[in-house]
Amino acid sequence: RKEVEQDPGPFNVPEGATVAFNCTYSNSASQSFFWYRQDCRKEPKLLMSVYSSGNEDGRFTAQLNRASQYISLLIRDSKLSDSATYLCVVGRSNYQLIWGAGTKLIIKP
Amino acid sequence: ETGVTQTPRHLVMGMTNKKSLKCEQHLGHNAMYWYKQSAKKPLELMFVYSLEERVENNSVPSRFSPECPNSSHLFLHLHTLQPEDSALYLCASSPNGQGEETQYFGPGTRLLVL
Repeated sequence: RKEVEQDPGPFNVPEGATVAFNCTYSNSASQSFFWYRQDCRKEPKLLMSVYSSGNEDGRFTAQLNRASQYISLLIRDSKLSDSATYLCVVGRSNYQLIWGAGTKLIIKP
Repeated sequence: ETGVTQTPRHLVMGMTNKKSLKCEQHLGHNAMYWYKQSAKKPLELMFVYSLEERVENNSVPSRFSPECPNSSHLFLHLHTLQPEDSALYLCASSPNGQGEETQYFGPGTRLLVL
């Protein structure tokens, strides 16, 4: 079993819709959680950190469920520019981030 | 954005060549990383340096040799690579290497081994 698992997609979503992804992790001792975004042929960039209490940044909401060991990302009112691959990342210890393979999102006009 | 730069951006090399990838960060960070990203696979951490000392080496073949002369520069020396080493090589930095820190990535070097 992979340490961090994501549905690879692609998720094809009409502009303006709401879309949600989940990511599961296997190591219950994981301490930090992130969503990164990677555009085609570009480097990953931090989208948001995920806190136990959940957090929101504009149209994006991230949630952490430690009991079930998953994190989620919700995108409301999706824009064409949201098309990208979304990478779930889990911090295992100092220096070690474990990366999911990513979920590809395509927003269609 | 020029926080983390990498050169070259693209590299084609034969299996007998020797080449080096360069990474430079202008963020004043103390930790630097090399990752390999192959198509449809997760990023694989290769090496981590903290204050110029190697702190992680994730079972990477010896044909990859890192060098960190100072906290701003990181190199990856390549020799006798295999076609399966073709991938995107990403350099990243973070303030101190703590697990909760954001990592900042360079644009990557897209490597093709013939």
